[in-house]
Amino acid sequence: DAKTTQPPSMDCAEGRAANLPCNHSTISGNEYVYWYRQIHSQGPQYIIHGLKNNETNEMASLIITEDRKSSTLILPHATLRDTAVYYCIVRVAGGNAGNMLTFGGGTRLMVKP
Amino acid sequence: GAVVSQHPSWVICKSGTSVKIECRSLDFQATTMFWYRQFPKQSLMLMATSNEGSKATYEQGVEKDKFLINHASLTLSTLTVTSAHPEDSSFYICSCLTGIGGYTFGSGTRLTVV
Repeated sequence: DAKTTQPPSMDCAEGRAANLPCNHSTISGNEYVYWYRQIHSQGPQYIIHGLKNNETNEMASLIITEDRKSSTLILPHATLRDTAVYYCIVRVAGGNAGNMLTFGGGTRLMVKP
Repeated sequence: GAVVSQHPSWVICKSGTSVKIECRSLDFQATTMFWYRQFPKQSLMLMATSNEGSKATYEQGVEKDKFLINHASLTLSTLTVTSAHPEDSSFYICSCLTGIGGYTFGSGTRLTVV
């Protein structure tokens, strides 16, 4: 799986948009970009994933650059409950055995009042 | 959506004893489950991949005789930490591969060995 690079930490004011960047310059054509987050002392939670088109769901938006070498996760109106570590993971989609998720360091987002 | 139940959420045990952690897929069948370990302020590290009805595949550096994994049914995988020592204290998390190719995680188990 392609390697990802994320800033180790970010702050965001409550109510503002949180924009979390991720670089994945070695991404392959069949690899998706997945985002998960982990709130303290809990298991990771799926947020969103995409291949090349921008995606939006009830939690967030995912913006992928045209060359697919980077992406940005956007939390449109961050709340205190969004404080967590956010992981950007690149991998091939599909349910083959052995296709585990490999976690990097992630970005620790702190939403402040 | 897919739900994974992990039990217990926390456990304290004495050094030298064994601890079993259960991971259940509640509303789907999980042919493949993954076990991760997470030390404080670190990321998740994959320990092993568990496939129903076959032996688990362990990552390099993970002792298979110490971390026993059993995946006897399509809805249950267990991780047993044998002869636990204080250095085994960690946050253990299971993950299931859902039928649609996604991943769902358990809530984690905080193991403290005293």
